[in-house]
Amino acid sequence: GAVVSQHPSWVICKSGTSVKIECRSLDFQATTMFWYRQFPKQSLMLMATSNEGSKATYEQGVEKDKFLINHASLTLSTLTVTSAHPEDSSFYICSARKRQGEAFFGQGTRLTVV
Amino acid sequence: GEDVEQSLFLSVREGDSSVINCTYTDSSSTYLYWYKQEPGAGLQLLTYIFSNMDMKQDQRLTVLLNKKDKHLSLRIADTQTGDSAIYFCAVTTGFQKLVFGTGTRLLVSP
Repeated sequence: GAVVSQHPSWVICKSGTSVKIECRSLDFQATTMFWYRQFPKQSLMLMATSNEGSKATYEQGVEKDKFLINHASLTLSTLTVTSAHPEDSSFYICSARKRQGEAFFGQGTRLTVV
Repeated sequence: GEDVEQSLFLSVREGDSSVINCTYTDSSSTYLYWYKQEPGAGLQLLTYIFSNMDMKQDQRLTVLLNKKDKHLSLRIADTQTGDSAIYFCAVTTGFQKLVFGTGTRLLVSP
């Protein structure tokens, strides 16, 4: 099956700093990548959808200036949490999708802001 | 928007069958998925079904789709303790986004 690599798996950062999370599709070209956030014991909430070479589309209530998404190539998307605060602590998961078909998920990044 | 609902909790004994249910609202959903999430881990794709299918079987897993009722189910035969996890159904929307259900926590007791 297709492999999506997400890095880092976990990160601890100080309040006010920025954190970048990478999502790579290793053996296929992902025309679309999605970023999700999961709070403890809750389902995944879609944050934004990004298509290669164009601006990301954010879901309602997600601050685009706080969660910067870049999808510069067909195999890489990045999510940068800017000026992180403790309430941004969460589990962030990306998924990458071929033109049609399954969406494959990265292993997730646990962000803790202290 | 799309609404996807699941029961929150299911408890079964080892060796029994488990059936996890999911309902959705968008009749234009084309792909419907089941994912497994173990504690502290990401999502593992278990299986998926196209909207033009009624059933798909893959080893111990059987997916049933009732498009009329917008109901999707996942049956796990001979459930094992290693199957204990959270199971998410997810459906594509008209914009090809994946919308997830609330997740069903499956507990398998010996």
